[in-house]
Amino acid sequence: SQKIEQNSEALNIQEGKTATLTCNYTNYSPAYLQWYRQDPGRGPVFLLLIRENEKEKRKERLKVTFDTTLKQSLFHITASQPADSATYLCALDPFKAAGNKLTFGGGTRVLVKP
Amino acid sequence: NAGVTQTPKFRILKIGQSMTLQCTQDMNHNYMYWYRQDPGMGLKLIYYSVGAGITDKGEVPNGYNVSRSTTEDFPLRLELAAPSQTSVYFCASIRENYGYTFGSGTRLTVV
Repeated sequence: SQKIEQNSEALNIQEGKTATLTCNYTNYSPAYLQWYRQDPGRGPVFLLLIRENEKEKRKERLKVTFDTTLKQSLFHITASQPADSATYLCALDPFKAAGNKLTFGGGTRVLVKP
Repeated sequence: NAGVTQTPKFRILKIGQSMTLQCTQDMNHNYMYWYRQDPGMGLKLIYYSVGAGITDKGEVPNGYNVSRSTTEDFPLRLELAAPSQTSVYFCASIRENYGYTFGSGTRLTVV
């Protein structure tokens, strides 16, 4: 079956360290992959989009890699801060069809401790 | 710009009741979506629209209906509420080559 997997266990990390999250997918060949941040009781907020022909994308302290051979994306938060504590979702358009319909992973909760 | 606005924020329904979840966006986006999110689960697509007058089913459309009479509005209708529809509902719109903009959600409980 087609699916997107993120580590369901929370990631506890010390402030200042780098948090690394994994998103694995099977049976898809997406044109791009996206990452979102979601805080409790709020809607997801778009962070980054990386295309299939891009290996790496950066935005401030965030870095995303995309390996279409491994069918995996890694999401890094460098110099993490307590304010980075949230759930992070990966998403992709599995069918490259009209409509830009995204399929989401279950998310990984990150807790940054001071 | 207000972005994507959803109302109400919270609602409790009795089994068999009906309601409409409102969603409006002021960004002139053509594409709009309704997702539901259950605890510990990923977002599931209910319905989507690629423009006024055009709607289509997503992954979990049963028990729901939508309409898109204007670019701005994309309401979601629940006709006969069931406990399985207890969830948090998110409306979203998209700008081309960018990510989704989500509303703040409607938390629905069916009892």
